[in-house]
Amino acid sequence: DTAVSQTPKYLVTQMGNDKSIKCEQNLGHDTMYWYKQDSKKFLKIMFSYNNKELIINETVPNRFSPKSPDKAHLNLHINSLELGDSAVYFCASRGTANTEAFFGQGTRLTVV
Amino acid sequence: DAKTTQPPSMDCAEGRAANLPCNHSTISGNEYVYWYRQIHSQGPQYIIHGLKNNETNEMASLIITEDRKSSTLILPHATLRDTAVYYCIVKSEVRGADGLTFGKGTHLIIQP
Repeated sequence: DTAVSQTPKYLVTQMGNDKSIKCEQNLGHDTMYWYKQDSKKFLKIMFSYNNKELIINETVPNRFSPKSPDKAHLNLHINSLELGDSAVYFCASRGTANTEAFFGQGTRLTVV
Repeated sequence: DAKTTQPPSMDCAEGRAANLPCNHSTISGNEYVYWYRQIHSQGPQYIIHGLKNNETNEMASLIITEDRKSSTLILPHATLRDTAVYYCIVKSEVRGADGLTFGKGTHLIIQP
């Protein structure tokens, strides 16, 4: 069983469109994350979310919004896609403090 | 979270021990040292973490200096599959929901 799964694995879309990436974890973790890895391979945290608080990296445009229907899911919605949004997006989850984070296999988003 | 410094790249012969250094001279008392790696195009993978004692698991050993200002990740018998970017991350556990801050890491290349 995959611990953290993302769909789709690849997403090609046109500028201006709205798209969503789904993430599910079956680990019973309380905290989930979204990370962005750009073309230079830098991995940056976008959001941290648990059932108590949403922590937003202040550099993330408000076109990006996380939506959590339940504790096991954290979806990423992106409005009005731009060329610069092209990147690989990773979902991750973590249990209590001092434990490891588990990452999904990534979604490669290409905006044309 | 404290900043870390790692060499950008290293080579190691297959079957030999790979020793990856990390400098974290500004680490504070409640910050842990974590190591993750990212094999090409995959999600980051947890390796090991520690506070001040040396740690060992089935993947690697973590040696932390007594003053905690630096650490070394040791892969005892490197294989070709260990070729990856290795990230040393220092993280406080005061705010457990905070994400990981990835630097540039060390690109470890295992030579046959």
